[in-house]
Amino acid sequence: DIQMTQSPSSLSASVGDRVTFTCRASQSISNYLNWYQQKPGKAPKLLIYAASSLQSGVPSRFSGSGSGTDFTLTIGSLQPEDFATYYCQQCYSAPWTFGQGTKVEI
Amino acid sequence: QVTLKESGPVLVKPTETLTLTCTVSGFSLTTGVMGVSWIRQPPGKALDWLAHIFSNDDKSYSTSLKSRLTISKDTSKSQVVLIMTNMDPVDTATYYCARIVGGERPLFDYWGQGTLVAVSS
Repeated sequence: DIQMTQSPSSLSASVGDRVTFTCRASQSISNYLNWYQQKPGKAPKLLIYAASSLQSGVPSRFSGSGSGTDFTLTIGSLQPEDFATYYCQQCYSAPWTFGQGTKVEI
Repeated sequence: QVTLKESGPVLVKPTETLTLTCTVSGFSLTTGVMGVSWIRQPPGKALDWLAHIFSNDDKSYSTSLKSRLTISKDTSKSQVVLIMTNMDPVDTATYYCARIVGGERPLFDYWGQGTLVAVSS
């Protein structure tokens, strides 16, 4: 199985900050990488697919990059509604696997 | 409008079998490259992908849980069913179903609200 490792596991930030966190795959997955946002008590929401494509309706302050084994998610200017947990997920080969998440806290 | 809704028991006993149903609307389980996945999340922990089934009946399972899982679909009812045998307290989690848009780069674009299943005697 492909293992997905996210770092950091949590980070503290302030409104307006630019934040970046990473996801690393245990083998090359090309750009078969999606990012999801999850708020407490809610289902995850798709933000980025194919490593860098913004899902419809998602604010442009979110961006993704990377290919192969290393990927990043950047929030250009953190907003109050962005405090949540972010998960990466590979869809290169089944079983599809998620990272352990990065929690963005105030 | 695409919706998914999970249903099933809220409490099961250890060793029992869990049957969860995902009822979908707004898309077809028979056409295109659509599918449905089951994903779970133990309290306070990360997402854990369990299984998927596509419109062409292609299926895949979590490696660690493969022996305990069965996924199927009833297209006449627009439902996807997940069966998990030999339940254990560590299986306590919120169970989500999500729509897969397949093709070149699969993704989960719509999710159900989730259903919390507790395993306890």
